[in-house]
Amino acid sequence: AQSVTQLDSQVPVFEEAPVELRCNYSSSVSVYLFWYVQYPNQGLQLLLKYLSGSTLVKGINGFEAEFNKSQTSFHLRKPSVHISDTAEYFCAVRTISGNTPLVFGKGTRLSVIA
Amino acid sequence: NAGVTQTPKFQVLKTGQSMTLQCAQDMNHNSMYWYRQDPGMGLRLIYYSASEGTTDKGEVPNGYNVSRLNKREFSLRLESAAPSQTSVYFCASTQNLGSSYEQYFGPGTRLTVT
Repeated sequence: AQSVTQLDSQVPVFEEAPVELRCNYSSSVSVYLFWYVQYPNQGLQLLLKYLSGSTLVKGINGFEAEFNKSQTSFHLRKPSVHISDTAEYFCAVRTISGNTPLVFGKGTRLSVIA
Repeated sequence: NAGVTQTPKFQVLKTGQSMTLQCAQDMNHNSMYWYRQDPGMGLRLIYYSASEGTTDKGEVPNGYNVSRLNKREFSLRLESAAPSQTSVYFCASTQNLGSSYEQYFGPGTRLTVT
C-alpha cells in the first residue's frame, strides 16, 4: 500500500518570498507522483506530475517539484509567491502498474501575506 | 467539453434520509472515483470503478453504495444518511493510459446531514 505525508499542515509566507511545500511518500513499488491545488470552494486542479524522465518537473503558475527517489520525496517549490497562490495543495501518488486510484496526503494550506 | 460534472452542488438531509449524488464525464475516461473531503483529512477514497462494469471499495466505503451506470456516469448513494457523512464529495475520472494518469475532478457536492 502507498501512503503520503505532507509535513506541514499550514505554511504562511510573505508575498514575493520563496516557498517549499514538503511531501514524502511510502511505497514498495514504483509510483507516479502528482501535486494538485484547490482554490477556495473549488475542485482540485493538477499543478504538475512526475511519470518518468527528468526528476525536476515544471508545472503551471510557476511551480516546480523535484522527485528524489532515495529520500522518497516530491517537494513543491515556487521562487516568488503571489497572493493568488493562497490555496490548499495536495500531494498524491499512484502505482505505475495496475489501474489503481490516487492516494492523497492531508494537504498543506498555503497562506500568502501581503 | 464540460469535463466532470456533479449534481447537486449543495444538499441538506435529515438523518435517515437517502439521496444519490450524480457524476458524469464527457472525456471518454475508463476509470471514475468518489472521494470525500473533510477538514484536516485530505481526500479519502470511498469507491472507484476501474472500468465500466466494475466497482471496488476504497478507504471509507461504509454507508455508501455506487453504480457505474455506463462509461460516462458514476453515482454515489447514501441509503440512510448520518451526521458523520456531512462532507464535501468529489467525483473524479482518469484515462489510465499513455501519459494521462492524472485524475480530473468535478466541482464537488457539499452535503450537510442534520
